[in-house]
Amino acid sequence: AAGVIQSPRHLIKEKRETATLKCYPIPRHDTVYWYQQGPGQDPQFLISFYEKMQSDKGSIPDRFSAQQFSDYHSELNMSSLELGDSALYFCASSLGLGGDTDTQYFGPGTRLTVL
Amino acid sequence: DAKTTQPNSMESNEEEPVHLPCNHSTISGTDYIHWYRQLPSQGPEYVIHGLTSNVNNRMASLAIAEDRKSSTLILHRATLRDAAVYYCILRRNSGGYQKVTFGTGTKLQVIP
Repeated sequence: AAGVIQSPRHLIKEKRETATLKCYPIPRHDTVYWYQQGPGQDPQFLISFYEKMQSDKGSIPDRFSAQQFSDYHSELNMSSLELGDSALYFCASSLGLGGDTDTQYFGPGTRLTVL
Repeated sequence: DAKTTQPNSMESNEEEPVHLPCNHSTISGTDYIHWYRQLPSQGPEYVIHGLTSNVNNRMASLAIAEDRKSSTLILHRATLRDAAVYYCILRRNSGGYQKVTFGTGTKLQVIP
């Protein structure tokens, strides 16, 4: 079965640079979520989109922005990168129907290293 | 989201059953109990979920206490591939596109 695709899988950037992470949800999934997982920490929710509209927002820095496109893929844009942004970034998708059916399927993650 | 409490770590011998407990004393009537796991260097993976009745799927079983204040994830025969962090999460049935709020989770070590 098709899974969530994230690209790139690894990314190395310098401080103050920008980065763009991409997420391709499972076909027919209309909801996308972004999570950040720092070293030795649990995943933390950043932001989500349902039908191309932002549906929820977590602890996402103002330097970060995201959007969901007409084909439902999503991009997380990160500017003025800081050392503390080094983390694994996961994307998840779901059908967004709610309740019992709202299982999230996670991608393999993008490992961002800021030097 | 209501809070859950899990042991930080557990050990199991390979090919033996594993019972992973979770306490959620403040659970509300519309909260579903979800379990996810995260294998090393991988994204979290859905395991199972339930509301009131016990549930079984190909990965595991979920036993829910009658008062719903606790639940137990059961791996019937642990393999080395089951070594992961297991998260017990409550998700409210109040509509779609709900984030998953991860707690600390239980790190399961499987001993050969």
